[in-house]
Amino acid sequence: KQEVTQIPAALSVPEGENLVLNCSFTDSAIYNLQWFRQDPGKGLTSLLLIQSSQREQTSGRLNASLDKSSGRSTLYIAASQPGDSATYLCAVRDTGGFKTIFGAGTRLFVKA
Amino acid sequence: ETGVTQSPTHLIKTRGQQVTLRCSSQSGHNTVSWYQQALGQGPQFIFQYYREEENGRGNFPPRFSGLQFPNYSSELNVNALELDDSALYLCASSLDPVTANYGYTFGSGTRLTVV
Repeated sequence: KQEVTQIPAALSVPEGENLVLNCSFTDSAIYNLQWFRQDPGKGLTSLLLIQSSQREQTSGRLNASLDKSSGRSTLYIAASQPGDSATYLCAVRDTGGFKTIFGAGTRLFVKA
Repeated sequence: ETGVTQSPTHLIKTRGQQVTLRCSSQSGHNTVSWYQQALGQGPQFIFQYYREEENGRGNFPPRFSGLQFPNYSSELNVNALELDDSALYLCASSLDPVTANYGYTFGSGTRLTVV
């Protein structure tokens, strides 16, 4: 059974700092891994999608890596801004079925 | 291109009642998945519909049911509501349910409160 864990659960950093969010999964048989952002009480906004054959994806100040063999992904945020404050969720699409499994998220607060 | 839209945005129901939530998928997407997100937790998979048929289901009881229509819009129905059903219900659409080469596009969710 696939399980997804995100560490840390919460993070507070000063503006301008570079930071890394971690995601681990127990079964390496995945189709892809997707990072999402969620603002309080809102839906999910897709940030980056990494296919199982890829090692990383970049979009602006965001870079996500995937190490399928070790069951790990990281989301790197450069030069953090107060507007980056949100919950960041990672989700894996495993090959055992059609569902996507989410982690519980990392709540990020960037202080001005 | 339109995104995923969900209605209503908020809903309050009494325990034991029934509720229907609606979702319009992103243009061109033929697959719809529904998720339940309790406060402080990640979304939990309820079920997925592809071409009007359920093709995957999570660990939810039969009182959670759904439909997908020919235009790929979808409904989530919950019967005999319980207090623990209070959550944010998210709909997500995607282009391909099988090879999963595409990610999900999520709607803004419906906040259901059961009292």
